[in-house]
Amino acid sequence: DTAVSQTPKYLVTQMGNDKSIKCEQNLGHDTMYWYKQDSKKFLKIMFSYNNKELIINETVPNRFSPKSPDKAHLNLHINSLELGDSAVYFCASSQENEKGYVNYGYTFGSGTRLTVV
Amino acid sequence: AQSVTQLDSQVPVFEEAPVELRCNYSSSVSVYLFWYVQYPNQGLQLLLKYLSGSTLVKGINGFEAEFNKSQTSFHLRKPSVHISDTAEYFCAVSESFYNQGGKLIFGQGTELSVKP
Repeated sequence: DTAVSQTPKYLVTQMGNDKSIKCEQNLGHDTMYWYKQDSKKFLKIMFSYNNKELIINETVPNRFSPKSPDKAHLNLHINSLELGDSAVYFCASSQENEKGYVNYGYTFGSGTRLTVV
Repeated sequence: AQSVTQLDSQVPVFEEAPVELRCNYSSSVSVYLFWYVQYPNQGLQLLLKYLSGSTLVKGINGFEAEFNKSQTSFHLRKPSVHISDTAEYFCAVSESFYNQGGKLIFGQGTELSVKP
């Protein structure tokens, strides 16, 4: 019954490895997001997809590549992991109104804590 | 571009005392405003939202917030806090890209610490 589910919840890996985080939502929302939360709890948007189309791509290294096979799934693949990638990554979904505003807010997943050693 | 400023990074308070977490935003257009709570090692949960209408908005867990357009503020209040309210609180504003998908802009967060 989980609305937005992320896997894995914890990920510990070595520098230079490639890893993926998966996200699925069963709310029927059109838009999905990836946010990064750093050690100071600051939340920064990375990407958003609307109906499988990339909409927002903030200043994120090319090593990060989102993939959306359908509107219910948004995965995040990270190549050549670096120490600075250690953070909590949140997936979220939303439904915009006719003016493009997120007027019902986001539904968040429980997060993936990535630790690069 | 819109921005959100949470004026206090940490707010310590004793149990059963009232609390106010402050949030200011900057925007030249109408906005939608939100408060989220993040309990330790968990995701973010929506507390309340302001879309339009009454400026006093009531949310879950006894929280409420007041939208003040002239002061561009959206402060969160609770008249009597519990130990279980200890968490990180985020204020957010909705930005629209008109048919290209909206996004939420988050403040820096306020850590509420309730002590017995």
